Parts: sequence; structure tokens; C-alpha cells
Amino acid sequence: SQQGEEDPQALSIQEGENATMNCSYKTSINNLQWYRQNSGRGLVHLILIRSNEREKHSGRLRVTLDTSKKSSSLLITASRAADTASYFCATAPGWGWGAQKLVFGQGTRLTINP
Amino acid sequence: DAGVTQSPTHLIKTRGQHVTLRCSPISGHKSVSWYQQVLGQGPQFIFQYYEKEERGRGNFPDRFSARQFPNYSSELNVNALLLGDSALYLCASSRGGISGSGANVLTFGAGSRLTVL
Repeated sequence: SQQGEEDPQALSIQEGENATMNCSYKTSINNLQWYRQNSGRGLVHLILIRSNEREKHSGRLRVTLDTSKKSSSLLITASRAADTASYFCATAPGWGWGAQKLVFGQGTRLTINP
Repeated sequence: DAGVTQSPTHLIKTRGQHVTLRCSPISGHKSVSWYQQVLGQGPQFIFQYYEKEERGRGNFPDRFSARQFPNYSSELNVNALLLGDSALYLCASSRGGISGSGANVLTFGAGSRLTVL
């Protein structure tokens, strides 16, 4: 079953605008990760945030984590056409070997219009 | 370095048949995980292997099995195929283990798209 729920399911913006995607999850986590998938191919890891972190940056990406609300957000600034893809949050719901079983949300389909 | 490689990329089977999917991890990665992704949904965990031992199993029937070889490559086998098994099957490798930051960061292959008719 999918632990995460992502919002919105689809997002369409103009190139240069910022895109924000949200993820909610149900159980306590070890860490939360975001992945990108182009056209039904393999997923690419974007960023990891640990349960004791609140915010993390990587290039044009900013991730926040609120463990009290069991939610995370991914912000992509100054979007480009190449950012068009599906974005998934994935939680590591356990510790030890449990942290290896990533649980993915249903994803947000992001379209950047030129 | 080569990424995670999967074969075959596409295959078509009929109900009741058997399928074997193969995966080679990134050099130095000892863990291989398998995920099923049905169209329009996120990947769903099937198995994880580390050092040839099963370390995790998702909520899939016994028709699904896997193994890992001494060179850390892996096979996913599905018996008695059903129409609902049609999906993209993703293999991912990671450093694995249970300690260290990033041990569960996955590097995915491009997937094997299975169509069951």
C-alpha cells in the first residue's frame, strides 16, 4: 500500500515560475526522499532529508519536513522545461532493515510550459 | 561506471506463463531491491536482498520470488502470470546495510515493462 499521498496530483506552470509539491505520510520515519521520473522510466534520486532535519537545499531544490504534521514539501525554483516529470516522495518507515523498504507516494505530474 | 542495468526492457507474456527479470547493480552496491510500478501509481516494494540474503518482502503473493547471486546481480521471477501483473518492474541498488547516512538511497535502472495478455 502507498503510505504517502502527494498533492497536487498534477501541476502545470510556466517556465521560470516556482513549483511546490506536497507529501503527507502516515507513520514515523527514518528519512524522507524525493525522486524524479521521466516518461515512465527509472527514478532518479533528488534529495534526502533526515527525520531530525527541517529544511534542506540542493541547487534549485528546497525540501522541508514537518514530522509533527507528517508532511514534506518540495520546491523547485526558476523552473525549466527539463523539469517536466513526475515527482515522488518516498519514506523509510522503519529503522535498521526497515529503512530499506522505501514507501512511495502516488506522485505529482509536473508540466513546465515554455 | 555503468548504472543499474535491467533486462529485458520490454516483454509480452500470456496469462499463466512465467517470467524472469534480471538486474545488475552499480559496482560496489551490495543491495538490490525490486519494485512494481503500475501505470499512474508510485513504485511498490517487492523484495530487498543484501549480501544474497532476503532482507525485506512486500505484500506480494508467493508467485513472486527473487534471488541474489555472489556478484550481487539479481533475478525476479513471477509464476502463473495474471493480467494484473502488467507493470513496469524496477530494480534499484544501494549501499545497503543498516547504518550510515544514505545507505537507503536508491539508484534505479530503467525498468522492465511487462505486458500480460
